[in-house]
Amino acid sequence: EVQLVQSGAEVKKPGESLKISCKGSGYSFTSYWIGWVRQMPGKGLEWMGIIYPGDSDTRYSPSFQGQVTISADKSISTAYLQWSSLKASDTAMYYCARHSGITGTTGWFDPWGQGTLVTVSS
Amino acid sequence: DIQMTQSPSSLSASVGDRVTITCRASQSISSYLNWYQQKPGKAPKLLIYAASSLQSGVPSRFSGSGSGTDFTLTISSLQPEDFATYYCQQSYSTAITFGQGTRLEIK
Repeated sequence: EVQLVQSGAEVKKPGESLKISCKGSGYSFTSYWIGWVRQMPGKGLEWMGIIYPGDSDTRYSPSFQGQVTISADKSISTAYLQWSSLKASDTAMYYCARHSGITGTTGWFDPWGQGTLVTVSS
Repeated sequence: DIQMTQSPSSLSASVGDRVTITCRASQSISSYLNWYQQKPGKAPKLLIYAASSLQSGVPSRFSGSGSGTDFTLTISSLQPEDFATYYCQQSYSTAITFGQGTRLEIK
């Protein structure tokens, strides 16, 4: 079974750093792009960026470029999303999802991780 | 970026109803359009990919159509488990974008 399992909920203070993870199993982790999607409380889905674990080729949404860093460690089939200095406005649910497209486009997201809730509050 | 606009934003319907949700792209995206269902507290789930292909395991009452800029998701006979929020997503551009969502509620 293809599965993505994300790390657990986090509660952080503004200005702190954070790295959340997404571990893939049941498929060749280096052969599929992994995307990250933000969902703020009560809001819709926002694509943040995407990474190809095979060579760490990464693309960011203009809205998130410079705000977060996406990385991957193919040796442990895990992708990461990290912040160097959190803000209250980063409070959201974050999902990872496997992308079907060879180039990271012209495809779809399936399956999705269960989500990681990040709460940033002083 | 390609903007995706869904209509309506919310919809009330009854079990057994036929429901159609529309997604419009700000430019042609060929058939690179996907639909997802999200229930409260759960991750999104892929329903339809490439505009009209039914994802494995998804009931056949769900169907998708369209190409270019205009797309529809149709549920032929609503079931209680279908009340959820639905999102379209374009994968034509390297900058992936989602529609704002359509909340389907019980009448």
